[in-house]
Amino acid sequence: AQSVAQPEDQVNVAEGNPLTVKCTYSVSGNPYLFWYVQYPNRGLQFLLKYITGDNLVKGSYGFEAEFNKSQTSFHLKKPSALVSDSALYFCAVRDQTNAGKSTFGDGTTLTVKP
Amino acid sequence: EAGVAQSPRYKIIEKRQSVAFWCNPISGHATLYWYQQILGQGPKLLIQFQNNGVVDDSQLPKDRFSAERLKGVDSTLKIQPAKLEDSAVYLCASSIDRVPYEQYFGPGTRLTVT
Repeated sequence: AQSVAQPEDQVNVAEGNPLTVKCTYSVSGNPYLFWYVQYPNRGLQFLLKYITGDNLVKGSYGFEAEFNKSQTSFHLKKPSALVSDSALYFCAVRDQTNAGKSTFGDGTTLTVKP
Repeated sequence: EAGVAQSPRYKIIEKRQSVAFWCNPISGHATLYWYQQILGQGPKLLIQFQNNGVVDDSQLPKDRFSAERLKGVDSTLKIQPAKLEDSAVYLCASSIDRVPYEQYFGPGTRLTVT
């Protein structure tokens, strides 16, 4: 069975500092990997994805994520955090079949302090 | 482009009552997902449709939950009878049925069972 682990419930960073939100996964075969963000009182929004190719993928709002196959990780990063980045972040994995099932992690709350 | 629509946004019912949620996906999206998100957890897939067909319902409590997608567009999720542990946000999402598969989420329905 596939699974996603987000080992940190909460990440706190100061504005302007780099941020990392961790994600590890388990799936049969090669994965499709996603990050979604949930702002307070708003729905989940797609942030970025890894399908194939370069291990470093870039997404919305200056976020990027690094795929590491040997460590089965897909950590979310941003070089300089903004207060407006404060939100709940979810990592998700999907197996590479047409009817692949998506599995989400339990989320990490990112708080960026001024 | 219109997003995923869901109704109602909020619902309060007593245990053993029934409730139904409605979802209208993004036009042209063949795949529709229903998730249950309990407070503090990530979304859990209940059922995934591709057009009219069910491709995964392994986590749907079939003794009380049912879902249908008529004509491959709108979908309804029903709970009958509801239990206290069904209190959650029910999310509907849609995606195209090929790579890259990123999902677009509706605002969700917050269900409280008393």
